[in-house]
Amino acid sequence: DIVMTQSPLSLPVTPGEPASISCRSSQSLLNSNGNNYLDWYLQKPGQSPQLLIYWGSNRASGVPDRFSGSGSGTNFTLKISRMEAEDVGVYYCMQGLQTPYTFGQGTKLDI
Amino acid sequence: EVQLLESGGGLVQPGGSLRLSCAASGFNFNIHAMTWVRQAPGKGLEWVSTTSGNAFDTYYADSVKGRFTISRDNSKNTLYLQMNSLRAEDTAVYYCAKVRGYSYGQVWGFDSWGQGTLVTVSS
Repeated sequence: DIVMTQSPLSLPVTPGEPASISCRSSQSLLNSNGNNYLDWYLQKPGQSPQLLIYWGSNRASGVPDRFSGSGSGTNFTLKISRMEAEDVGVYYCMQGLQTPYTFGQGTKLDI
Repeated sequence: EVQLLESGGGLVQPGGSLRLSCAASGFNFNIHAMTWVRQAPGKGLEWVSTTSGNAFDTYYADSVKGRFTISRDNSKNTLYLQMNSLRAEDTAVYYCAKVRGYSYGQVWGFDSWGQGTLVTVSS
């Protein structure tokens, strides 16, 4: 199984300031088609998860452009350019390259 | 607007069975792979099972293989999860989600999620 490791697991943030989360996979998520099968999700308190980023760097529909994903292979980063109060919650990375699809442990962002 | 509405959760004794349903609307259900993801109380997300749009392909986490069965009725726009031989460790909120893209066992983006249904396995 591909193991997903996020860091940090907890991150206090300040509104208006940037934030960054790292996700590493135990195997490369880069497919021969050139896509990295790495998604980012946000689970706000009391809500279902929502998709932020797919293929490592593609923002999902309706996701603000302050969210960006980068990286390739085994190292990925989610960046929030300017933290807003509505961005608090737990962020998860997930690999979709092969089953079992696996999530990182989650990173809790709070103000 | 995409809507996913899970139902069927509840309290069940160890060894018992439940069938979860996920009623979908707002998109072309029969061309999208669908998935179940669960979250134990206070824990992270765990992928459970995925089925392709035509149901020809199904995949399971090892923790549920042989006990859970994913299925779909494209005429009813409904996804199911039949859960047998339930264990205490299956206690979780179960979410169904629409898969944005699927190809030969690879997925990209669970782009719409239901509100979840709670399954509690306890005597």
